Amino acid sequence: ETGVTQSPTHLIKTRGQQVTLRCSSQSGHNTVSWYQQALGQGPQFIFQYYREEENGRGNFPPRFSGLQFPNYSSELNVNALELDDSALYLCASSFFGGVAEAFFGQGTRLTVV
Amino acid sequence: AQTVTQSQPEMSVQEAETVTLSCTYDTSENNYYLFWYKQPPSRQMILVIRQEAYKQQNATENRFSVNFQKAAKSFSLKISDSQLGDTAMYFCAFMNPLGRGGSEKLVFGKGTKLTVNP
Repeated sequence: ETGVTQSPTHLIKTRGQQVTLRCSSQSGHNTVSWYQQALGQGPQFIFQYYREEENGRGNFPPRFSGLQFPNYSSELNVNALELDDSALYLCASSFFGGVAEAFFGQGTRLTVV
Repeated sequence: AQTVTQSQPEMSVQEAETVTLSCTYDTSENNYYLFWYKQPPSRQMILVIRQEAYKQQNATENRFSVNFQKAAKSFSLKISDSQLGDTAMYFCAFMNPLGRGGSEKLVFGKGTKLTVNP
């Protein structure tokens, strides 16, 4: 197992609600990336946080936002949930500029009804 | 934009035999990394093997090896002596370090579902 933990593991929300997902990074890592994995698809890059700032963003609307804290843990916030937001959300921890190896958490399964 | 293509949605292999999963990618960059990740039903992505584009030698990790053909932009994974625990989704991924926007993001293929049969 990696040292990356995500919470919660499962979540059910109603369309229009807001959700916050959490990720703790592996010791020694300073970068957290978030990915959305729809059923039967590969993960899609949402954004990356480095030194508490967003450092690159994929093709996701502004209602997807995030934070990184001084201890390098991170949150993913999604506002105005839509049915298509139902997916597995993966967090990956890495050391920016290092050996390019990312370690993933076990994911949060979000279901929007 | 970089893209990664896995043309085999599903594959199966008998225990102890060898299987090869295919991956092609498209990029104009010269410096990049390629990865194979395994995702078992537990959902956690596990790094199987990594290849640096500047290295001509193919990476190996125990029963796992790759065939990296840079000119053809091909990166296949060979699993030898397949085991029941190898049953999982396998994703090929590309990363251009410090690419445009400065992020070290992974670009994934759609995956290949591998089943190892007893």
